[in-house]
Amino acid sequence: TQLLEQSPQFLSIQEGENLTVYCNSSSVFSSLQWYRQEPGEGPVLLVTVVTGGEVKKLKRLTFQFGDARKDSSLHITAAQPGDTGLYLCAGGGADGLTFGKGTHLIIQP
Amino acid sequence: KAGVTQTPRYLIKTRGQQVTLSCSPISGHRSVSWYQQTPGQGLQFLFEYFSETQRNKGNFPGRFSGRQFSNSRSEMNVSTLELGDSALYLCASSLTGAGVYEQYFGPGTRLTVT
Repeated sequence: TQLLEQSPQFLSIQEGENLTVYCNSSSVFSSLQWYRQEPGEGPVLLVTVVTGGEVKKLKRLTFQFGDARKDSSLHITAAQPGDTGLYLCAGGGADGLTFGKGTHLIIQP
Repeated sequence: KAGVTQTPRYLIKTRGQQVTLSCSPISGHRSVSWYQQTPGQGLQFLFEYFSETQRNKGNFPGRFSGRQFSNSRSEMNVSTLELGDSALYLCASSLTGAGVYEQYFGPGTRLTVT
């Protein structure tokens, strides 16, 4: 069974600060996706990374896929209250997507 | 293009009853996956349908079943409901399948079993 561990589980910071959340596994994934979920809604896809070492930037969000395709990180610069939500990583394989349990992020104004 | 829709959005059932949830994927998407989300276990994969055939299945008991119609719409059924089945049930669609390809989620159906 492939497992994805996300850390930290909870993070509360002030507006304007930077943060990094992590997604780690002992398994290799063909792709890795990050989603953000807000209360009462389904997860929304933020990015997909497929190549080891790949870095993608989405405005203030920077996503990195580990060289061995087992881990990933999400860095947010100058966090804003609108970044609040549950951040989920998901690893892709032959049997579908495996999700981590997520990082609950709260950005306080 | 309309997103993934799920009905109903909220449902309250009693133990022992059965329930059917519905999902309409994004137009042109042929794969539909179902997930159960709970605070303790997170998002867990139930099954995936592609062109009316179940292609992948997660580790859930046989009380959980699904099907997909020729128009790609999908239904999920849970029989003999248990208290532990209370969860947010999410449906996601993608062009050709789960795994490598990006999935687009619906808003979910919140099921409460009393």
